[in-house]
Amino acid sequence: SAVISQKPSRDICQRGTSLTIQCQVDSQVTMMFWYRQQPGQSLTLIATANQGSEATYESGFVIDKFPISRPNLTFSTLTVSNMSPEDSSIYLCSADRGQNTEAFFGQGTRLTVV
Amino acid sequence: AQSVTQLGSHVSVSEGALVLLRCNYSSSVPPYLFWYVQYPNQGLQLLLKYTSAATLVKGINGFEAEFKKSETSFHLTKPSAHMSDAAEYFCAVAYSSASKIIFGSGTRLSIRP
Repeated sequence: SAVISQKPSRDICQRGTSLTIQCQVDSQVTMMFWYRQQPGQSLTLIATANQGSEATYESGFVIDKFPISRPNLTFSTLTVSNMSPEDSSIYLCSADRGQNTEAFFGQGTRLTVV
Repeated sequence: AQSVTQLGSHVSVSEGALVLLRCNYSSSVPPYLFWYVQYPNQGLQLLLKYTSAATLVKGINGFEAEFKKSETSFHLTKPSAHMSDAAEYFCAVAYSSASKIIFGSGTRLSIRP
């Protein structure tokens, strides 16, 4: 199995500011994904983080609001830009090696925007 | 488009009773199906996954799920509930082993003493 570390684990931020969340995997993985889990809700996929190219965003999510980087096969960042209280959620990083392995999830980053 | 529907946002059973959490999928091709569990204030943990090798899939903590193509279902069961099973359970589907995973709305399982 892969171990995924996310930082920070939680943060309280002022509206209008930006927060960058880091996701580190302990081994090389094929795919990395970012999800959002709003309070009491299920997980919604934000985007697929592509190594060496622009992320692939799902409907309703845009690069200007959620810029993503993936400089190598073990690391990715998600930035939540110009935050508002509606962005208060848990943000989770996921990784998959492919070839019939399951996706692993980080512990998540609990973000509160005030 | 792929999706999963979880019937019942909240299920409550007595300790020792059968647990049945329902999940139906919508997919034009045989999908990969998963059940994840999320304990309070924790991340997601994979319970089990279906990858077409066997229709009855056994997972961790005594859970199992059966893939029924005719019913497009992948219900999660456990013969005897334990207090430690109280958590949120998510059914999920993927098109391939390394593609994005689409989650259902989740079912909160409560266990009565």
